[in-house]
Formats: sequence, C-alpha cells, structure tokens
Amino acid sequence: QKEVEQNSGPLSVPEGAIASLNCTYSDRGSQSFFWYRQYSGKSPELIMSIYSNGDKEDGRFTAQLNKASQYVSLLIRDSQPSDSATYLCAVVPSGSARQLTFGSGTQLTVLP
Amino acid sequence: KAGVTQTPRYLIKTRGQQVTLSCSPISGHRSVSWYQQTPGQGLQFLFEYFSETQRNKGNFPGRFSGRQFSNSRSEMNVSTLELGDSALYLCASSFSQGAGETQYFGPGTRLLVL
Repeated sequence: QKEVEQNSGPLSVPEGAIASLNCTYSDRGSQSFFWYRQYSGKSPELIMSIYSNGDKEDGRFTAQLNKASQYVSLLIRDSQPSDSATYLCAVVPSGSARQLTFGSGTQLTVLP
Repeated sequence: KAGVTQTPRYLIKTRGQQVTLSCSPISGHRSVSWYQQTPGQGLQFLFEYFSETQRNKGNFPGRFSGRQFSNSRSEMNVSTLELGDSALYLCASSFSQGAGETQYFGPGTRLLVL
C-alpha cells in the first residue's frame, strides 16, 4: 500500500469552476502536509502547507486537513487555464525527519 | 532572494559512467534534500543533509551518494550509471531541520543515460 494516495486523474474542470483535489495518507502520526504544483517540464512549486485540522485559505486556494480520516484536500476556486498542472500531495511521516513522501500527483486541466 | 540553483540542467551519460550534480540552496538555508523523479516511480526521496551531515536516507542503492559543504552547497554522485537512473533529479532546501519546514525546490537536473 502506497503511503500517500492521490487520484491520478486527469481531472478536467471548466474555467471559473471549483477544482477539488484529494489525498489520503497511511501514517496516522504524520504532522506536516504540503501541496505542490508542477507544470510540465518544471520543478514542484509550493502552493500550501497545513499542519492542523481544518481549513487554511490563501487566495483562491484552500487546503483542508482531517487527521482522524487521514485525508487532506486542496480546493481551487475560480479555476483558471493557468492552473492546469499536476498537483502533488506531500506528507512528512512520523519519525522520518524531513523526508517528504509524495503522492503520484493529480493532473488538472482547466478548460477555457 | 535567489532561489535554489542546480547545475548542470541537462546531462547525457552512458551506462557505466558516473555523474556529479550540484545544488546551491537558498541563502541562509542549511538543509538540502535530494529527490529523484521518474514517470514510473514519481518523486522519491534520496537523502538529506544538514550541517554537512547526512541526516536521512531513502531506499536507493549505494551507487547514490552525496555530500554537503560548509557553505551548505551540496553535491550528489551516481556511480556506475544504469539506464533506469534516467530521471529528473531535484534538490530542495529549507532553513532548518524542523519536520514542518517548507522545502523549496530547484529547477532540477535532467539526466539521460544511454
């Protein structure tokens, strides 16, 4: 069983819609969670970090964390074609210091 | 503040050769981590250095090694290259060693092994 699971997609949404990206993780002791965006041929770029249960908002992006359900999600409001990319969920499992464990990524396409 | 830099950006090698990749972290960052990204395996952790010491190592063979210098710059070396080592190698830096510290990625070095 993979430690971090994401729907691989592809996920397509129309411009202006809400895109919802989901991630589950297996290590209940994980404390740090990150969402990265990766454009084709580029390196991952941090979008959000979240450490506590609940929602964290930054502009059009909202990260949601539910440690009891071992679930973290990313909502993108008013999606734009420039949001089309692969979104990577990353978790720092307990006892692994700074090792980021990544999901396989969800490819998002925002249709104009 | 300048971001993480990696050199070279692209590299072509043949099987059996060795390669050294370089990473300069964001100024003031002392932790450097290396990751390998392939289409089949995704992003996988290689190792992490802090204050010139390897603090954590992923599940890769001993052909993969690294080091960190006193100015926090880091190098990774892959010996006896195999076709499967073709990948994007990413370096990430962070300010300290805290588990919650955000890691910022460099542009990567794309290695092709023929």
